[in-house]
Amino acid sequence: DAKTTQPPSMDCAEGRAANLPCNHSTISGNEYVYWYRQIHSQGPQYIIHGLKNNETNEMASLIITEDRKSSTLILPHATLRDTAVYYCIVRSNFGNEKLTFGTGTRLTIIP
Amino acid sequence: GAVVSQHPSRVICKSGTSVKIECRSLDFQATTMFWYRQFPKQSLMLMATSNEGSKATYEQGVEKDKFLINHASLTLSTLTVTSAHPEDSSFYICSAIRWVEAFFGQGTRLTVV
Repeated sequence: DAKTTQPPSMDCAEGRAANLPCNHSTISGNEYVYWYRQIHSQGPQYIIHGLKNNETNEMASLIITEDRKSSTLILPHATLRDTAVYYCIVRSNFGNEKLTFGTGTRLTIIP
Repeated sequence: GAVVSQHPSRVICKSGTSVKIECRSLDFQATTMFWYRQFPKQSLMLMATSNEGSKATYEQGVEKDKFLINHASLTLSTLTVTSAHPEDSSFYICSAIRWVEAFFGQGTRLTVV
């Protein structure tokens, strides 16, 4: 079973920051928070991951609460190409552990 | 980033026939690959874990005799849907892990008519 909960859908205006929340209240100490997105009829694309510190890369920022029970993915300047389903996944970094997908958030960027 | 390639991207087959889907890690070796299935408007569901040189591990409810997995090399895993039926029509996606990051293929749309 997925260990995360996300809102089923969100809208965001083009050019604005998209903030996608994720709850993972049962996360354990060795589990990371991963974010992937899936554009229609494609395989998932890696976005970012983190353990407890906030992370930023060229695609997005990841803010993890101090208690690690929730996180927020931030797309700073959303474009129409960011319309996709975004999945928040918790997973340890041990070996070849599988990724278990929840229902994700369908983000729609509005022109 | 690393590249995982699936082939074919789309396939249509007749009911009762078998279909093979290939998953290749193009620039890294993967001892473990994963196979997922995704029905319309649903999330990805893990079907099985493919291990190079050994038998695959199937998730509960997935028929191992129907979905044959072979992982003969460190860069190739295959999923064969045997005696396909219309209810097997779905989007099949493979994944391979390099270090700690999972990379996904572009998916295979299977339609059984």
